[in-house]
Amino acid sequence: QQQVKQSPQSLIVQKGGISIINCAYENTAFDYFPWYQQFPGKGPALLIAIRPDVSEKKEGRFTISFNKSAKQFSLHIMDSQPGDSATYFCAAGGWETSGSRLTFGEGTQLTVNP
Amino acid sequence: SAVISQKPSRDICQRGTSLTIQCQVDSQVTMMFWYRQQPGQSLTLIATANQGSEATYESGFVIDKFPISRPNLTFSTLTVSNMSPEDSSIYLCSVDSRRGEKLFFGSGTQLSVL
Repeated sequence: QQQVKQSPQSLIVQKGGISIINCAYENTAFDYFPWYQQFPGKGPALLIAIRPDVSEKKEGRFTISFNKSAKQFSLHIMDSQPGDSATYFCAAGGWETSGSRLTFGEGTQLTVNP
Repeated sequence: SAVISQKPSRDICQRGTSLTIQCQVDSQVTMMFWYRQQPGQSLTLIATANQGSEATYESGFVIDKFPISRPNLTFSTLTVSNMSPEDSSIYLCSVDSRRGEKLFFGSGTQLSVL
């Protein structure tokens, strides 16, 4: 019930291409879905997040698509750049739940080739 | 977003010793969270630390192994006790933003146990 499954485990794209990372969750009580970006030696940084009242949220080159009925959400990185090369984690949890007890996906290592 | 400072940033320790990790936040927060990230893996919540009360530990984590202090609203410590090589991980402190955005992380403490 608490799992969040993330795919692919690794992804290689060319500069200027679109990177797509997918996540699926099981717990229908989840109502907060963030994505984190982590560079080596750094803690994860909140990239973008979505609540279930919208199906899409866009911030610059980053877009979250959310499908409530399928219990899936995805991160799209448009015009991918070498500087986007990092590990990306999706997460899910309850917005009102005390303690931000987010459940994280396994992570996707993105490499953007110049 | 909150600014979180964590010390030390990395350490190499001998088996059987203990290490205390400090987390300082630039604003008062109700709850602080400690996560573990094992090499190449995702993030796992260790415990939630509220000021003035005992920390709440997740399944698989116990107070004797990971004692936590929370003396005020901007500071917390996590101790990794009686360390073994299996404790080699990145330990991350995190907080919620006052603006309602969830879960900001410090840069982490990279621990290696020999």
